[in-house]
Amino acid sequence: GAGVSQSPRYKVAKRGQDVALRCDPISGHVSLFWYQQALGQGPEFLTYFQNEAQLDKSGLPSDRFFAERPEGSVSTLKIQRTQQEDSAVYLCASSPRDRGTDTQYFGPGTRLTVL
Amino acid sequence: DAKTTQPPSMDCAEGRAANLPCNHSTISGNEYVYWYRQIHSQGPQYIIHGLKNNETNEMASLIITEDRKSSTLILPHATLRDTAVYYCIVRVFTGNQFYFGTGTSLTVIP
Repeated sequence: GAGVSQSPRYKVAKRGQDVALRCDPISGHVSLFWYQQALGQGPEFLTYFQNEAQLDKSGLPSDRFFAERPEGSVSTLKIQRTQQEDSAVYLCASSPRDRGTDTQYFGPGTRLTVL
Repeated sequence: DAKTTQPPSMDCAEGRAANLPCNHSTISGNEYVYWYRQIHSQGPQYIIHGLKNNETNEMASLIITEDRKSSTLILPHATLRDTAVYYCIVRVFTGNQFYFGTGTSLTVIP
């Protein structure tokens, strides 16, 4: 079956622009996660949804970062007034269980470059 | 969640077993050991996880020491496609997130 998909795969933004990154999780998966991966580092947790509820946003680096999942399926990560340090790969993962336990299935990521 | 320590890089000859070590000396009783890998330009891929007993699946085997302070991921017959960064993670089963660290970069050599 289809895996987690993300769009766009690549995004170039000028500093100060707003961007929106989309994640389509595996159909029926209750839990959805966003991670940020800087060059040469492992992924770092940003936020977690259970259905449409955002249960943990402790990893969001600033109030410029905002995530939503209004209907409990597709999710969007929005970054306002982008800065150069926001350049990274943004990964989305989904999991079938309602507590985010067990396996998380990752998408290919969106590579964001802020000039 | 407990911190893990992995060697930054390893090489393995194609066709040989790749043994990737991980130390997690501060692991607590309810924390599982997970392994993921990330091939260049792809998202992380789940490999295997375990609590106390050794585990095996179609991809790999996981050997956890009796005191649970360390583990080894074994790829029995490494191929060039196994070249990737391998992450050892310990996490409570009900945890929301994975702490990936920097992992081990495995290079399989022809």
